[in-house]
Amino acid sequence: AQSVTQLDSHVSVSEGTPVLLRCNYSSSYSPSLFWYVQHPNKGLQLLLKYTSAATLVKGINGFEAEFKKSETSFHLTKPSAHMSDAAEYFCVVTDPYSSASKIIFGSGTRLSIRP
Amino acid sequence: NAGVTQTPKFRVLKTGQSMTLLCAQDMNHEYMYWYRQDPGMGLRLIHYSVGEGTTAKGEVPDGYNVSRLKKQNFLLGLESAAPSQTSVYFCASSYSGPPGTDFKEQYFGPGTRLTVT
Repeated sequence: AQSVTQLDSHVSVSEGTPVLLRCNYSSSYSPSLFWYVQHPNKGLQLLLKYTSAATLVKGINGFEAEFKKSETSFHLTKPSAHMSDAAEYFCVVTDPYSSASKIIFGSGTRLSIRP
Repeated sequence: NAGVTQTPKFRVLKTGQSMTLLCAQDMNHEYMYWYRQDPGMGLRLIHYSVGEGTTAKGEVPDGYNVSRLKKQNFLLGLESAAPSQTSVYFCASSYSGPPGTDFKEQYFGPGTRLTVT
């Protein structure tokens, strides 16, 4: 069975400092992993995805994530936070060999940026 | 391309009323999904479809029905609305492909905010 855990429901950082949003997953197979961002009152937008190619994945807006199989983690990072990064972030795990219903969303991490 | 669109954007219903939410996509995606989003719970899958004329239940299907008469449209119906169905509803679509290539990267609509009083 698959599952995903976002370890922090809320993260607050100062503008210009690094961002770390943590995600652990559980999967019986080699998973596909995604990070989505949701700005207030908007739909979800794909930030980046891991699909068994390079373990360090670069996404939009300076975000990147590293797939660590030994730690079953897929943490999202950004070197320097910007005010526009304030949003909700979702980690998602899927099994590329499973049915369309096996897409598991984490509960989300709200990122706040302090001026 | 408009991507994924949803109508309406907002709706207020009284308990017991019915309504239909419409989702449309212009990317020729096979798969379409309906989710609800509630505070602290992420997104939960209501129903999904893997192609025109097909539908299947997700994690929280009770109280909802769906139809996929055309490939580009996916309708979500509430036959008798209840306050517990107050939520934000998101539609999404994705590509399909042979097993192992179907990464299920989803494209989301802007959402419909539904309040049931």
